[in-house]
Amino acid sequence: EPEVTQTPSHQVTQMGQEVILRCVPISNHLYFYWYRQILGQKVEFLVSFYNNEISEKSEIFDDQFSVERPDGSNFTLKIRSTKLEDSAMYFCASRDSTNTGELFFGEGSRLTVL
Amino acid sequence: DQQVKQNSPSLSVQEGRISILNCDYTNSMFDYFLWYKKYPAEGPTFLISISSIKDKNEDGRFTVFLNKSAKHLSLHIVPSQPGDSAVYFCAASRTDSWGKLQFGAGTQVVVTP
Repeated sequence: EPEVTQTPSHQVTQMGQEVILRCVPISNHLYFYWYRQILGQKVEFLVSFYNNEISEKSEIFDDQFSVERPDGSNFTLKIRSTKLEDSAMYFCASRDSTNTGELFFGEGSRLTVL
Repeated sequence: DQQVKQNSPSLSVQEGRISILNCDYTNSMFDYFLWYKKYPAEGPTFLISISSIKDKNEDGRFTVFLNKSAKHLSLHIVPSQPGDSAVYFCAASRTDSWGKLQFGAGTQVVVTP
C-alpha cells in the first residue's frame, strides 16, 4: 500500500540552528500538508500546499517556517532558526484530488531543540 | 483552541464488547468529520468519515454517528478487538478547506481480553 515517508525519524538540534524535515508524499497525490504535535498537546495544522504554493497556513506558521517542493517527489519543511518551543513531532500528510478530506499521514519526524 | 473536544482521555473495554468514543465541536461551519487511529511511533491512520449531510456512516466494525443539532459525533466499534487498542482522534474540517483538520485531544482505548 502506498505510504507517506518522512526523514529523519528523529533530529536533535541546538537552538538557533536551521532544520529541514523531508517528506515523500504518495505519488499521485496533489495536496500536501504539515502538522505538528507538541508532547501532551493536540495535533495542529501548520500549512497546506498545492500547485507549488501555500494554500493556507496557521498562525503558528510564521516567518521562520517555509515549505518547498524542490522536485517531483519531495516536500520539505524548513525551520530557519529553531526555538525550544519548536520541539514536537512533525507529521507530513498528503491527499488526492477527490473531495473526501482524507489525509494520509507519515510516521512523523521528532524534533528536539536543546 | 477548543473547537473540537474529546472529553474522555481514556476508555477501557473488554474484547468483544462495544467501544463508544465521543466528540463535540463548537464551530457550526464544520461540515466534514473524520476519525483517525494512532499507534505509538506511527502517524494517524484514517478510519472513517462522515459528511454533515448524513447522520450515520458504517464501515465494517466502525460506525460514526453525527448529531448536527447537538454538535456531537460518536464512533462505535463493534466488536472491540485487542488490535483496536490505540489513541483515537476526532477531527473536523470544512469542505471549502479540505485537509485543514482541527483535531481533538484524543481518547486512549485499551481493549482487555
